[in-house]
Amino acid sequence: QSVLTQPPSASGTPGQRVTISCSGSSSNIGSNTVNWYQQLPGTAPKLLIYSNNQRPSGVPDRFSGSKSGTSASLAISGLQSEDEADYYCAAWDDSLNGHVVFGGGTKLTVL
Amino acid sequence: QVQLVQSGAEVKKPGASVKVSCKVSGYTLTELSMHWVRQAPGKGLEWMGGFDPEDGETIYAQKFQGRVTMTEDTSTDTAYMELSSLRSEDTAVYYCATPPRSGWYYPLDYWGQGTLVTVSS
Repeated sequence: QSVLTQPPSASGTPGQRVTISCSGSSSNIGSNTVNWYQQLPGTAPKLLIYSNNQRPSGVPDRFSGSKSGTSASLAISGLQSEDEADYYCAAWDDSLNGHVVFGGGTKLTVL
Repeated sequence: QVQLVQSGAEVKKPGASVKVSCKVSGYTLTELSMHWVRQAPGKGLEWMGGFDPEDGETIYAQKFQGRVTMTEDTSTDTAYMELSSLRSEDTAVYYCATPPRSGWYYPLDYWGQGTLVTVSS
């Protein structure tokens, strides 16, 4: 049981816009910034979005993040086949002395 | 640019211990805050612990308290994660990960390639 809740799966067709939600509580998302990681099959996770809505260098602007209250979202516009991956949200949790908590992950399928 | 290179796959028997290494290049360990994350087969990411430079202490997830030890050898810029009393549920890929700076509240920009630990009798 993950501290942050994500839908287990999402899907879309090429060119579509998809969103992935991440629900938490006042002690994690409500108090701290959210980061998103992309994990392509068989590879290590990659930082995709940090501080709720910032993209590291090299991440296409098709990827965007937002946060409101105790929830966060990752949006992918202009969906491409290479976006098929697992996506994880993460935050620090003040009720756990600042420990890092992850969502359970969302498997994105490009149809 | 930080590069993290981990040690190779391990096969251990239940009850044994495993020690995974993570060699840093491009930076020195003292410039970073190393964390460890694991992923069981077909499952999600699970944070195990990390080094908080502000307190100078390693913080462990409660689930692993008493079974995990994370250490650093600054002379070789190598971080280690040792997990003891292994059980089958510990079969997973173990990752080291760090932001490109020293501090707790930074995202994990850089990841090692992962080390598969298999626990089987």
